[in-house]
Amino acid sequence: QQQVKQSPQSLIVQKGGIPIINCAYENTAFDYFPWYQQFPGKGPALLIAIRPDVSEKKEGRFTISFNKSAKQFSLHIMDSQPGDSATYFCAASRGATNKLIFGTGTLLAVQP
Amino acid sequence: DTAVSQTPKYLVTQMGNDKSIKCEQNLGHDTMYWYKQDSKKFLKIMFSYNNKELIINETVPNRFSPKSPDKAHLNLHINSLELGDSAVYFCASSPTGQGRTQYFGPGTRLLVL
Repeated sequence: QQQVKQSPQSLIVQKGGIPIINCAYENTAFDYFPWYQQFPGKGPALLIAIRPDVSEKKEGRFTISFNKSAKQFSLHIMDSQPGDSATYFCAASRGATNKLIFGTGTLLAVQP
Repeated sequence: DTAVSQTPKYLVTQMGNDKSIKCEQNLGHDTMYWYKQDSKKFLKIMFSYNNKELIINETVPNRFSPKSPDKAHLNLHINSLELGDSAVYFCASSPTGQGRTQYFGPGTRLLVL
């Protein structure tokens, strides 16, 4: 059973476009929702994270929108660049163990 | 450089062999993790140690045994390797506590022939 569902599986946008990646979760005990960015051959790196007490968080060109009632959250990348081409993972965790449950990943390609 | 490092970067071995992957972090974190990323890029936690104590042990075959000699090191030993063990294994670390950023190593690409 996939606790964190992510879509789409892949996404192609033109430079300057705004790709949106969506995630949904079931467990209402989750209290931390990070997004990770992974380039080929590298480990995942934290991009931005949100807690359920806020509905939106923005860091640079990256924005998380969070809908607690719908148990959904999404990543928006403003003014996307070819250098943003990577695999993006949403995740969720709860409690002190900090155990991250990852979504299935979205392969983003930003075309010049 | 402050980071999470793993050795080796690549590991090619025969079925039935025993192998180890080493992880070290110099970030001063108390908690370390092992993740497995399969061929479809799905990332799944395997183990987590906090100050050398095992705190997360997912449903992983007994052939996988983590060992933490100190809080800066978390090694993964795999016995009797199988074809299905082929994957990328990532080590990560974080400060103790919920919602703390996990920093991932560069990964070890294991191929079992």
